[in-house]
Amino acid sequence: GQQLNQSPQSMFIQEGEDVSMNCTSSSIFNTWLWYKQDPGEGPVLLIALYKAGELTSNGRLTAQFGITRKDSFLNISASIPSDVGIYFCALTSGSRLTFGEGTQLTVNP
Amino acid sequence: KAGVTQTPRYLIKTRGQQVTLSCSPISGHRSVSWYQQTPGQGLQFLFEYFSETQRNKGNFPGRFSGRQFSNSRSEMNVSTLELGDSALYLCASSPAGTLAGELFFGEGSRLTVL
Repeated sequence: GQQLNQSPQSMFIQEGEDVSMNCTSSSIFNTWLWYKQDPGEGPVLLIALYKAGELTSNGRLTAQFGITRKDSFLNISASIPSDVGIYFCALTSGSRLTFGEGTQLTVNP
Repeated sequence: KAGVTQTPRYLIKTRGQQVTLSCSPISGHRSVSWYQQTPGQGLQFLFEYFSETQRNKGNFPGRFSGRQFSNSRSEMNVSTLELGDSALYLCASSPAGTLAGELFFGEGSRLTVL
């Protein structure tokens, strides 16, 4: 199957700081997705990207679909304590999702 | 609108036993997928059902099976449990015609195998 690499694995930041995480794949895909999982919950879709070069925002979150179609990044601006959780990138292949390893984000107040 | 409901939330089994997990999708959603989440392997796709038919299957042994009923509710079964089956099992639903990748996840069923 395709390789999907997500980095960093974990981040420890202060409230108010900006955060950036990214994913790369070994193959070209048509869709990049970013999910967040809060402790004790299932993942929730944050942003979906369907076109190379697309830049999409959702509040303080901004994600971009790389022009090569093999990468994507997610930025969180002015982090707050409720941003804590695990962030996953994901790719679609038919009706299945392939998830990255996740980025565990800790925000210190 | 109620979200995806999974039962039970927590369960403990011993090696060799079998387990059945249940998932009620969001009303009107006809696709149900199952994922296994472990610290070592992350989130891995098990299978997906649509209109009572398995449409896609991940790389798991035959001990993992599932089914979907006419009301879109789904169950998954794991037979002859092994220690490595300890995981959070997540169910997700999506409506027909949704944009690719837009899944709505339940809170999961946490299985511990002793």
